[in-house]
This record gives sequence, C-alpha cells and structure tokens, in this order.
Amino acid sequence: QSALTQPASVSGSPGQSITISCTGTSSDVGSYNLVSWYQQHPGKAPKLIIYEVNKRPSGVSDRFSGSKSGNTAALTISGLQAEDEATYYCFSYAGSYTNWVFGGGTKLTVL
Amino acid sequence: EVQLVESGGGLVQPGGSLRLSCVASGFTLSSYWMNWVRQAPGKGLEWVANMNKDGSGEYYVDSVKGRFTMSRDNAKSSVYLQMSNLRAEDAAVYYCARGANYAFQIWGQGTMVIVSS
Repeated sequence: QSALTQPASVSGSPGQSITISCTGTSSDVGSYNLVSWYQQHPGKAPKLIIYEVNKRPSGVSDRFSGSKSGNTAALTISGLQAEDEATYYCFSYAGSYTNWVFGGGTKLTVL
Repeated sequence: EVQLVESGGGLVQPGGSLRLSCVASGFTLSSYWMNWVRQAPGKGLEWVANMNKDGSGEYYVDSVKGRFTMSRDNAKSSVYLQMSNLRAEDAAVYYCARGANYAFQIWGQGTMVIVSS
C-alpha cells in the first residue's frame, strides 16, 4: 500500500478557512468511507479529529470538517485560530489488516 | 478517564531487544483492537502493528516482521510490543493507540526508543 499524499505545508490567517487534501487511490480512499484525520502539536501525541470521512469525536470543535471526492479526502478548518497550528495526518483503510499507511503530514501555520 | 500509558522505552544497542508495555484504563481493553504506531525524530507517523480483540490475530508492517511481536493480556489491561534485533531505523517514539472504526481513537503519550552503540 502506498502512502497517502498530502501537501507538506499550508498556511492561513486567523479567522480564515483552509483545506488540506489527502490523495489516495481507488484501493483505499476511493473504496472506503474510512478516512480519518489526526492533529499533532509539537512534542505531543496525535489526536483523532475526524473519522469515517466526516464524523467528529465528542469534544472536537465543529470548525473541523471532513469530506471526500473520488480518491481524495479533505480536511477543512474554518475560523482558524492560533491553537490550530499543528501537523495534520490522514489515514485510510485499504481493505486489509496490514501494511497500513498514513499520509506524510501537513504542517499548518497560522500567520 | 480513558487513558493509555506506555513504558519500557530507552537506549538499546543495535541488535538488542526491548519490550514496550501499554496499560489501558477507563475502558475494557478486550472490546478493542489495539495498535502500535511509531514516529522517528522529525518524521511522520508509521503504523507498526495491530492485534485483534482476543489476541488471536496480529499484523505487522513489513519492515518489522520477524523482529517484533505484539501481544496482549486483557486481564491486565495491557498490550506489549517485544522488539528484537533492533536497528538504527527503529529509533522512534512508540505510541499505542486504541482502534475503532478503522481509526486510531485514543493515543498514549508515547515512549522513546533510542538505538545506538
């Protein structure tokens, strides 16, 4: 299974919206509604913020939303805040229990 | 509070062995698949291994097959990762993570493994 492709970095100003893409293939993102997104601040453990493409765990701000079109999933953060500055990773199930891969990660800078 | 706490990391020489532990609290471990995910310094996340609820099935990334063994003791609310024949490229922070709906739902704080002579 190949790694999912994410942009290395994105940036935005407070209050703006940004979108991070996660491109896979017809074998992973395109076949299953099992894309998840993780937020990781420096020196901290990752945190699940979106699962099953567009569902938010309890306690996660509704400023975070997920979507999918074809082989590409996307994470949108609206109303950017300074605390959103972090690295974001995507993950997609690909039909087996092994050789799971994450996206390469996208560093979000809040200007 | 739902929590995972890893331990067992440290400095080990190339070719050496180490056993990581992850203790779960606030939930019933036997109801969940569990995973190990690692992150090399300055790098992204890499899934390492997972195990089904009763420990009868385990799966690994190709790079650790034959060297790492995952196990669990649901009665002790614990999962383990036995690592042997360690290489420099195994150096990383190792996280255990609870699986649900093919996502990594809850993460521990991580334990660092350093492989150096």
